[in-house]
Amino acid sequence: GAVVSQHPSWVICKSGTSVKIECRSLDFQATTMFWYRQFPKQSLMLMATSNEGSKATYEQGVEKDKFLINHASLTLSTLTVTSAHPEDSSFYICSASGGAGYEQYFGPGTRLTVT
Amino acid sequence: KNEVEQSPQNLTAQEGEFITINCSYSVGISALHWLQQHPGGGIVSLFMLSSGKKKHGRLIATINIQEKHSSLHITASHPRDSAVYICAALKSSGDKLTFGTGTRLAVRP
Repeated sequence: GAVVSQHPSWVICKSGTSVKIECRSLDFQATTMFWYRQFPKQSLMLMATSNEGSKATYEQGVEKDKFLINHASLTLSTLTVTSAHPEDSSFYICSASGGAGYEQYFGPGTRLTVT
Repeated sequence: KNEVEQSPQNLTAQEGEFITINCSYSVGISALHWLQQHPGGGIVSLFMLSSGKKKHGRLIATINIQEKHSSLHITASHPRDSAVYICAALKSSGDKLTFGTGTRLAVRP
């Protein structure tokens, strides 16, 4: 299947700092990318959907000013957690799709720990 | 009630056993995904299916659209199959996935 990478795979940051996570589709053009977060032993929760060249659509309860998403090209989307706090510590996963109805391919995830 | 329900939540099997994980959904879908998540966290897409049956190696996925039910079968299970298996429904109305709560599988040697 298609390959999606994330960078970094894990990051530890201090409270109040910002962290950027990259999601890349390596062998296909991703019209749509999705950002999820997952708490321990829970299912994935969709945070936002981003389409290349347009603003991301955020799910209810997700602060768009805190979780900045940029999808500047068909192979790269970034999620920036601004002014991170310990409660933002989580596993962040992206997925990429060639468009509506196409299969989603998941990245390996980024484990964020805010101290 | 969740739109996507999985059973069982936890499953322990002996190596070599045939395993079935079930997924029921209550919404109209265009496709259903089966995903595998290992303890490290990374997710692998096993199948996407909208009808019938798909097979890949020891894994078989079936879906019955009329009954709104899908199953994932693992033949000749192996300890390396130990993971969380998640079904996710792609709703007919859009491109978002709705996830089941996952089935935690442990295969003992």
